[in-house]
Amino acid sequence: NSKVIQTPRYLVKGQGQKAKMRCIPEKGHPVVFWYQQNKNNEFKFLINFQNQEVLQQIDMTEKRFSAECPSNSPCSLEIQSSEAGDSALYLCASSPRLGATGQLYFGEGSKLTVL
Amino acid sequence: GEKVEQHESTLSVREGDSAVINCTYTDTASSYFPWYKQEAGKSLHFVIDIRSNVDRKQSQRLIVLLDKKAKRFSLHITATQPEDSAIYFCAATNYGNEKITFGAGTKLTIKP
Repeated sequence: NSKVIQTPRYLVKGQGQKAKMRCIPEKGHPVVFWYQQNKNNEFKFLINFQNQEVLQQIDMTEKRFSAECPSNSPCSLEIQSSEAGDSALYLCASSPRLGATGQLYFGEGSKLTVL
Repeated sequence: GEKVEQHESTLSVREGDSAVINCTYTDTASSYFPWYKQEAGKSLHFVIDIRSNVDRKQSQRLIVLLDKKAKRFSLHITATQPEDSAIYFCAATNYGNEKITFGAGTKLTIKP
C-alpha cells in the first residue's frame, strides 16, 4: 500500500471553479513531485519541491496553478480556475533524496473531472 | 526537452513466456532509466532501474537492457505470471535534472 497519501481521491468541479488537492509525502522524504496523467496515460510534469522550496515548474503551473509544501502540513496543488482540459489524474510522488535519479513513491492520485 | 516513447501500447503474452517492452528516448544526456508498474486501481510502484554506466541489469525475473548508442532501453519479463499483468511505464532523466520524463505506458496482459 502506498505511503504517499493523496486527498481527495475524486473531485468534480465546474469550469472556472477552484480545485485543490493535497498530498502527504512519505515520512522523511524531502522531495515532492506533482504530475498530471491524462486519459491516454501520458504524464505531464507540473512542479517539484525540496522541502518548502520550488525546484522546477512548467509555465502552465506558474500561471494557473498554485502549489506549496509547507513544513508540518500537507503539500497542495490548486487550480485557480479549472478548465475542461484540466480533467486528469493528478499524481503526487515523493523521493528520499534530491535528484530525480532515484525511486519515486507515488500516491494513488486525485482524479479531477471538470464539467 | 526529453521525450520518451513506448513502442507497444498493449502487449499480450501467454503465461510462462517472456514479455519485452521497448522504449526510446531523445536526450543523449539522459543517464537514469527507471521502470514503474501500475496495477488496476493502484498507484505506480517502482520495479527496476538502470543507469548509463551499465548496459544490463537483472533483478529476479526482470532484465533491463540499455543501448545508449541507439537511445533505446527495454524491459524483459521472463517466465511471466498472471500477477505481471499491469501497465508498465518507462522513464528517463539525467543527473542534475529534477524531473523524470515518462513514456505513455504499455498494458501487459498475461493469458492463461
